[in-house]
Amino acid sequence: QVQLVQSGAEVKKPGASVKVSCKASGYTFNSYYIHWVRQAPGEGLEWMGRINPRGPRAHYAQKFQDRVTMTRDTSTSTVYMELSSLRSEDTAVYYCARGDGDFNPPDYWGQGTLVTVSS
Amino acid sequence: QSVLTQPPSASGTPGQRVTISCSGRSSNIGSNYVYWYQQLPGTAPKLLIYRNNQRPSGVPDRFSGSKSGTSASLAISGLRSEDEADYYCAAWDDTLSGFVFGTGTKVTVL
Repeated sequence: QVQLVQSGAEVKKPGASVKVSCKASGYTFNSYYIHWVRQAPGEGLEWMGRINPRGPRAHYAQKFQDRVTMTRDTSTSTVYMELSSLRSEDTAVYYCARGDGDFNPPDYWGQGTLVTVSS
Repeated sequence: QSVLTQPPSASGTPGQRVTISCSGRSSNIGSNYVYWYQQLPGTAPKLLIYRNNQRPSGVPDRFSGSKSGTSASLAISGLRSEDEADYYCAAWDDTLSGFVFGTGTKVTVL
């Protein structure tokens, strides 16, 4: 069965960076995109970007272009999302999710990782 | 910054039919597939409908999706208490070159 298992909760200070991992299993890793979506407390879903495991290129939402980096390690079927220059508004649950095709939203989702930004 | 507009809430009694709308533009719903997700409290979103009206295996046929022009709808028939959740629509947006989500609708079973 498809599984996306994310790393644990993080607490960071403003200005720091955070790196969240997402380990995939149960399917052919190179055949699907991995998306990152975040959800601030009590708010809706916000797409941050995606990475194609077949190549190093990632595509980021304009809002996060300057602060986010998505990478992958095909040897361990793991994708990473690093967000820099954290501010309090970045406090949210960050989800990784699998995607099929260039224009199709994700299907399977990870369990989420809470990132808290607080001084 | 949600680009797709949904009503903030919807409700019904057990057994009733509830419909949730999702309004967008020609650059998103008008030219791309719509997906729907269910998010139970404290859990990750779960795919309910893909490619406008297709159900993944395991999703009850009480859930159905449709699309017309720049709008889409999710219908829940035979409403059950376990359907109490937040529901989101999503689509690719050609202008933004990214995915956009709806504002979300909280469904309450009275």
